[in-house]
Amino acid sequence: DVKVTQSSRYLVKRTGEKVFLECVQDMDHENMFWYRQDPGLGLRLIYFSYDVKMKEKGDIPEGYSVSREKKERFSLILESASTNQTSMYLCASRASGRALAKAQYFGPGTRLTVT
Amino acid sequence: KQEVTQIPAALSVPEGENLVLNCSFTDSAIYNLQWFRQDPGKGLTSLLLIQSSQREQTSGRLNASLDKSSGRSTLYIAASQPGDSATYLCAVSPLNTGGFKTIFGAGTRLFVKA
Repeated sequence: DVKVTQSSRYLVKRTGEKVFLECVQDMDHENMFWYRQDPGLGLRLIYFSYDVKMKEKGDIPEGYSVSREKKERFSLILESASTNQTSMYLCASRASGRALAKAQYFGPGTRLTVT
Repeated sequence: KQEVTQIPAALSVPEGENLVLNCSFTDSAIYNLQWFRQDPGKGLTSLLLIQSSQREQTSGRLNASLDKSSGRSTLYIAASQPGDSATYLCAVSPLNTGGFKTIFGAGTRLFVKA
């Protein structure tokens, strides 16, 4: 089974702090994604990576950056956390190649609260 | 712009009932459609993936169909159980995003009464 893990289930940070959210997958997937999920707004794509050191902006990249130094690990960075970044953050991975039509697999989520 | 709509937003049924969840999308140019389950406060669990060339997929008590020309998919759950209570989301991967972006519906919240 595909396993996607996230470093924390719950996180509380103060406004202005730099925050790191880590995601690790064990299936050698090329593609990895970061989403946030908010009531009434659904899932929104923040950033994705289609290979090591490659990244692309999603629909709401402002205030975030990402890092992918190793294939299995994709990090989301909040440069200076703000209260409007309080949300559920979900990481996902997917195989690539001819497999653009492959399924996405999600981690358990990190509930981030910024006070 | 691709939009995904799920109806109903919420559904409550007695245990044992067969039920259908609906998903519609506005642009038929997709790679695939995927159904997910989400329990409160948790991540998404992949249930079924239907490729654009397929009509349906089955897994246990679940059956998902895809009618690309009409922009519709249904998730059929047979003999529902209280453990099926969760939010069910459908999502499509549009061709015009190279498959890297996924458009999600808002979900149907299902409650199965014992």
